[in-house]
Amino acid sequence: DVKVTQSSRYLVKRTGEKVFLECVQDMDHENMFWYRQDPGLGLRLIYFSYDVKMKEKGDIPEGYSVSREKKERFSLILESASTNQTSMYLCATVTPPGQGADTQYFGPGTRLTVL
Amino acid sequence: GQNIDQPTEMTATEGAIVQINCTYQTSGFNGLFWYQQHAGEAPTFLSYNVLDGLEEKGRFSSFLSRSKGYSYLLLKELQMKDSASYLCAVSSNTGGFKTIFGAGTRLFVKA
Repeated sequence: DVKVTQSSRYLVKRTGEKVFLECVQDMDHENMFWYRQDPGLGLRLIYFSYDVKMKEKGDIPEGYSVSREKKERFSLILESASTNQTSMYLCATVTPPGQGADTQYFGPGTRLTVL
Repeated sequence: GQNIDQPTEMTATEGAIVQINCTYQTSGFNGLFWYQQHAGEAPTFLSYNVLDGLEEKGRFSSFLSRSKGYSYLLLKELQMKDSASYLCAVSSNTGGFKTIFGAGTRLFVKA
Protein backbone atom coordinates (compact mmCIF):
# COMPACT_ATOMS: atom_id res chain seq x y z
CA ASP A 1 0.00 0.00 0.00
CA VAL A 2 1.05 3.54 -0.71
CA LYS A 3 1.85 5.48 2.41
CA VAL A 4 1.76 9.26 2.50
CA THR A 5 2.62 10.97 5.76
CA GLN A 6 2.41 14.58 6.82
CA SER A 7 4.47 16.12 9.58
CA SER A 8 1.60 17.38 11.71
CA ARG A 9 -2.12 16.68 12.08
CA TYR A 10 -2.82 19.97 13.83
CA LEU A 11 -0.84 23.20 13.76
CA VAL A 12 -1.46 26.63 15.26
CA LYS A 13 0.61 29.59 14.09
CA ARG A 14 0.60 33.35 14.42
CA THR A 15 0.07 35.82 11.62
CA GLY A 16 3.37 36.59 9.91
CA GLU A 17 5.10 33.37 10.94
CA LYS A 18 6.84 31.18 8.38
CA VAL A 19 5.22 27.77 8.25
CA PHE A 20 6.58 24.52 6.84
CA LEU A 21 4.32 21.60 6.02
CA GLU A 22 6.17 18.41 5.19
CA CYS A 23 4.93 15.47 3.16
CA VAL A 24 6.70 12.16 2.60
CA GLN A 25 5.68 9.24 0.39
CA ASP A 26 7.21 5.79 0.30
CA MET A 27 6.28 4.58 -3.19
CA ASP A 28 8.86 6.35 -5.32
CA HIS A 29 6.09 8.24 -7.15
CA GLU A 30 7.17 11.16 -9.28
CA ASN A 31 4.03 13.29 -9.02
CA MET A 32 3.13 14.96 -5.76
CA PHE A 33 0.49 17.58 -4.94
CA TRP A 34 -0.52 20.04 -2.28
CA TYR A 35 -4.19 20.93 -1.87
CA ARG A 36 -6.16 22.97 0.57
CA GLN A 37 -9.70 22.03 1.46
CA ASP A 38 -12.27 24.51 2.70
CA PRO A 39 -16.00 23.99 3.39
CA GLY A 40 -18.08 24.47 0.27
CA LEU A 41 -15.04 24.90 -1.95
CA GLY A 42 -13.70 21.39 -2.12
CA LEU A 43 -10.08 20.57 -2.80
CA ARG A 44 -8.09 23.27 -4.55
CA LEU A 45 -4.66 22.65 -6.00
CA ILE A 46 -1.90 24.89 -4.65
CA TYR A 47 1.23 23.45 -6.25
CA PHE A 48 2.37 20.21 -7.78
CA SER A 49 5.66 18.63 -8.72
CA TYR A 50 6.57 16.18 -11.48
CA ASP A 51 10.03 15.40 -10.26
CA VAL A 52 12.84 16.51 -7.98
CA LYS A 53 13.43 20.27 -8.16
CA MET A 54 10.48 20.66 -10.52
CA LYS A 55 7.36 22.54 -9.47
CA GLU A 56 4.27 23.90 -11.14
CA LYS A 57 1.69 26.36 -9.88
CA GLY A 58 -1.79 25.05 -9.30
CA ASP A 59 -4.96 27.09 -9.11
CA ILE A 60 -4.21 29.07 -5.93
CA PRO A 61 -0.42 29.44 -5.50
CA GLU A 62 -0.47 32.97 -4.07
CA GLY A 63 1.08 33.13 -0.62
CA TYR A 64 2.68 29.70 -0.93
CA SER A 65 5.89 28.18 -2.19
CA VAL A 66 7.14 24.60 -2.38
CA SER A 67 10.34 22.63 -2.26
CA ARG A 68 11.14 19.21 -3.73
CA GLU A 69 14.79 18.42 -2.96
CA LYS A 70 14.23 14.67 -2.73
CA LYS A 71 11.80 12.50 -4.63
CA GLU A 72 10.00 11.28 -1.54
CA ARG A 73 9.56 14.67 0.12
CA PHE A 74 7.42 17.62 -0.96
CA SER A 75 7.25 20.63 1.32
CA LEU A 76 4.72 23.44 1.34
CA ILE A 77 5.89 26.78 2.71
CA LEU A 78 3.84 29.71 3.88
CA GLU A 79 6.32 32.58 3.84
CA SER A 80 4.20 34.83 6.04
CA ALA A 81 1.09 33.12 7.35
CA SER A 82 -2.20 34.99 7.22
CA THR A 83 -5.56 34.22 8.77
CA ASN A 84 -7.08 33.39 5.38
CA GLN A 85 -4.65 30.51 5.14
CA THR A 86 -6.40 28.74 7.97
CA SER A 87 -7.46 25.51 6.29
CA MET A 88 -6.99 21.77 5.95
CA TYR A 89 -3.92 21.01 3.87
CA LEU A 90 -3.69 17.71 2.05
CA CYS A 91 -0.68 16.22 0.33
CA ALA A 92 -1.16 13.58 -2.34
CA THR A 93 0.79 11.40 -4.69
CA VAL A 94 -0.53 9.67 -7.79
CA THR A 95 -0.11 6.36 -9.57
CA PRO A 96 2.64 6.73 -12.18
CA PRO A 97 1.65 6.91 -15.87
CA GLY A 98 1.16 3.50 -17.43
CA GLN A 99 0.42 1.81 -14.14
CA GLY A 100 -3.33 2.13 -14.27
CA ALA A 101 -5.70 4.93 -13.36
CA ASP A 102 -4.06 8.07 -12.01
CA THR A 103 -5.46 7.47 -8.56
CA GLN A 104 -4.52 9.98 -5.92
CA TYR A 105 -3.32 8.81 -2.50
CA PHE A 106 -3.71 11.35 0.22
CA GLY A 107 -1.87 11.98 3.42
CA PRO A 108 -3.88 12.35 6.65
CA GLY A 109 -4.01 16.13 6.31
CA THR A 110 -2.77 19.02 8.41
CA ARG A 111 -5.34 21.31 9.95
CA LEU A 112 -3.62 24.68 10.17
CA THR A 113 -5.03 27.53 12.23
CA VAL A 114 -3.48 30.98 11.85
CA LEU A 115 -4.30 33.36 14.69
CA GLY B 1 -13.34 26.12 -18.42
CA GLN B 2 -13.45 23.21 -16.04
CA ASN B 3 -16.31 22.76 -13.63
CA ILE B 4 -17.78 20.02 -11.47
CA ASP B 5 -21.23 20.13 -9.88
CA GLN B 6 -22.65 17.79 -7.27
CA PRO B 7 -25.32 18.22 -4.61
CA THR B 8 -24.18 19.68 -1.32
CA GLU B 9 -26.01 17.29 1.00
CA MET B 10 -28.16 14.18 0.86
CA THR B 11 -29.92 12.13 3.51
CA ALA B 12 -30.87 8.47 3.23
CA THR B 13 -32.02 5.65 5.46
CA GLU B 14 -29.98 2.69 6.60
CA GLY B 15 -30.49 -0.27 4.25
CA ALA B 16 -31.70 1.90 1.38
CA ILE B 17 -30.07 2.85 -1.95
CA VAL B 18 -28.78 6.33 -2.71
CA GLN B 19 -27.52 7.85 -5.96
CA ILE B 20 -25.13 10.80 -5.89
CA ASN B 21 -24.94 12.67 -9.19
CA CYS B 22 -22.05 14.59 -10.66
CA THR B 23 -21.91 16.70 -13.80
CA TYR B 24 -18.70 18.05 -15.21
CA GLN B 25 -17.21 20.19 -17.95
CA THR B 26 -13.63 19.67 -18.94
CA SER B 27 -11.29 19.42 -21.89
CA GLY B 28 -8.86 16.56 -22.33
CA PHE B 29 -10.97 14.18 -20.25
CA ASN B 30 -8.78 11.48 -18.78
CA GLY B 31 -11.08 9.73 -16.31
CA LEU B 32 -13.52 10.35 -13.47
CA PHE B 33 -12.97 9.38 -9.86
CA TRP B 34 -15.08 9.08 -6.76
CA TYR B 35 -13.47 9.48 -3.35
CA GLN B 36 -14.93 8.97 0.10
CA GLN B 37 -13.96 11.29 2.91
CA HIS B 38 -15.01 10.82 6.52
CA ALA B 39 -15.05 13.89 8.72
CA GLY B 40 -11.55 14.93 9.75
CA GLU B 41 -9.89 12.35 7.54
CA ALA B 42 -8.24 12.30 4.12
CA PRO B 43 -10.12 11.27 0.97
CA THR B 44 -9.79 7.63 -0.04
CA PHE B 45 -10.23 6.20 -3.51
CA LEU B 46 -13.55 4.50 -4.31
CA SER B 47 -13.84 4.15 -8.07
CA TYR B 48 -12.54 5.13 -11.47
CA ASN B 49 -14.39 5.36 -14.82
CA VAL B 50 -12.79 6.25 -18.11
CA LEU B 51 -15.19 4.48 -20.49
CA ASP B 52 -18.96 4.83 -20.61
CA GLY B 53 -20.94 2.44 -18.49
CA LEU B 54 -21.27 1.03 -15.03
CA GLU B 55 -18.43 -0.17 -12.81
CA GLU B 56 -19.53 -2.27 -9.87
CA LYS B 57 -17.51 -2.90 -6.76
CA GLY B 58 -19.42 -4.53 -3.95
CA ARG B 59 -22.06 -2.21 -2.53
CA PHE B 60 -20.73 0.70 -4.57
CA SER B 61 -21.19 1.28 -8.31
CA SER B 62 -20.15 4.19 -10.49
CA PHE B 63 -21.58 5.18 -13.84
CA LEU B 64 -20.16 7.42 -16.55
CA SER B 65 -21.56 9.05 -19.67
CA ARG B 66 -18.85 11.04 -21.40
CA SER B 67 -21.17 12.52 -24.02
CA LYS B 68 -23.38 13.95 -21.27
CA GLY B 69 -20.58 14.91 -18.90
CA TYR B 70 -22.37 12.94 -16.22
CA SER B 71 -21.55 10.40 -13.57
CA TYR B 72 -23.24 8.94 -10.55
CA LEU B 73 -22.17 6.95 -7.53
CA LEU B 74 -24.67 4.36 -6.34
CA LEU B 75 -24.51 3.07 -2.80
CA LYS B 76 -26.61 0.03 -1.94
CA GLU B 77 -27.59 -1.47 1.42
CA LEU B 78 -26.58 1.72 3.17
CA GLN B 79 -24.82 1.43 6.48
CA MET B 80 -24.30 4.06 9.14
CA LYS B 81 -20.57 4.04 8.39
CA ASP B 82 -21.35 5.27 4.86
CA SER B 83 -22.08 8.70 6.35
CA ALA B 84 -19.31 10.75 4.77
CA SER B 85 -18.57 13.22 2.02
CA TYR B 86 -18.28 11.85 -1.51
CA LEU B 87 -16.02 13.74 -3.87
CA CYS B 88 -16.37 13.61 -7.63
CA ALA B 89 -13.08 14.35 -9.41
CA VAL B 90 -12.12 14.61 -13.06
CA SER B 91 -8.66 14.03 -14.45
CA SER B 92 -7.64 16.22 -17.37
CA ASN B 93 -4.55 16.04 -19.55
CA THR B 94 -4.91 19.58 -20.86
CA GLY B 95 -2.13 21.90 -19.77
CA GLY B 96 -0.37 19.11 -17.98
CA PHE B 97 -1.66 16.52 -15.60
CA LYS B 98 -4.38 17.83 -13.31
CA THR B 99 -7.30 16.52 -11.29
CA ILE B 100 -10.21 18.82 -10.53
CA PHE B 101 -12.33 18.04 -7.48
CA GLY B 102 -15.95 18.84 -6.85
CA ALA B 103 -16.93 20.39 -3.53
CA GLY B 104 -18.28 17.05 -2.35
CA THR B 105 -21.67 15.70 -1.33
CA ARG B 106 -22.19 15.17 2.36
CA LEU B 107 -24.26 12.03 2.88
CA PHE B 108 -26.12 11.48 6.13
CA VAL B 109 -27.35 7.94 6.79
CA LYS B 110 -30.07 7.75 9.42
CA ALA B 111 -31.42 4.73 11.26
